[in-house]
Amino acid sequence: DGGITQSPKYLFRKEGQNVTLSCEQNLNHDAMYWYRQDPGQGLRLIYYSQIVNDFQKGDIAEGYSVSREKKESFPLTVTSAQKNPTAFYLCASSKKSGDSNQPQHFGDGTRLSIL
Amino acid sequence: AQSVAQPEDQVNVAEGNPLTVKCTYSVSGNPYLFWYVQYPNRGLQFLLKYITGDNLVKGSYGFEAEFNKSQTSFHLKKPSALVSDSALYFCAVRDIGNAGNMLTFGGGTRLMVKP
Repeated sequence: DGGITQSPKYLFRKEGQNVTLSCEQNLNHDAMYWYRQDPGQGLRLIYYSQIVNDFQKGDIAEGYSVSREKKESFPLTVTSAQKNPTAFYLCASSKKSGDSNQPQHFGDGTRLSIL
Repeated sequence: AQSVAQPEDQVNVAEGNPLTVKCTYSVSGNPYLFWYVQYPNRGLQFLLKYITGDNLVKGSYGFEAEFNKSQTSFHLKKPSALVSDSALYFCAVRDIGNAGNMLTFGGGTRLMVKP
């Protein structure tokens, strides 16, 4: 079955540590997205990528970094500069951005906590 | 700019009764509208979308939504609620002129269906 795989499901970060969240899709989608979800709040966009080797900042990019070296993969690094990283992180993908009536498909998320 | 409001943090309904989850939106042009459902510790699942045409849209699991342009609303409905419908529901909007395919999500509404 095609879909989006996020790993790990749970992740713990120590002070001053960078951690990387994995997102892989086999849907042949061009666009990929990272969202942060906090309790009682909706999803906020961190970064997005519409094509390989290109990505754009979303609404809350500070303290995060991404890469898009392959179409299938869009890893997110939470750096030590992100002072409040505890959240549920969701990765999504969609067909090329010109097909803007297509829904985004989501992975099952990574829950990140501070040790 | 585009925005979405879900005015109710929680909706309570008895099993077998009809349910409505409210959503209003704001866009500069014409909207694409989406409803997603999220179960605990899972990603978002697509329920239905409005692109154009008939104002009443039917989706997965017996849900439907009514697009009302004059009221800028897109309320989610179901004629007869099930306990298994209990989850977090998100409305999302995309301005047709948004070339980046960006979605803006509402803050979510928790639906509680009691037996």
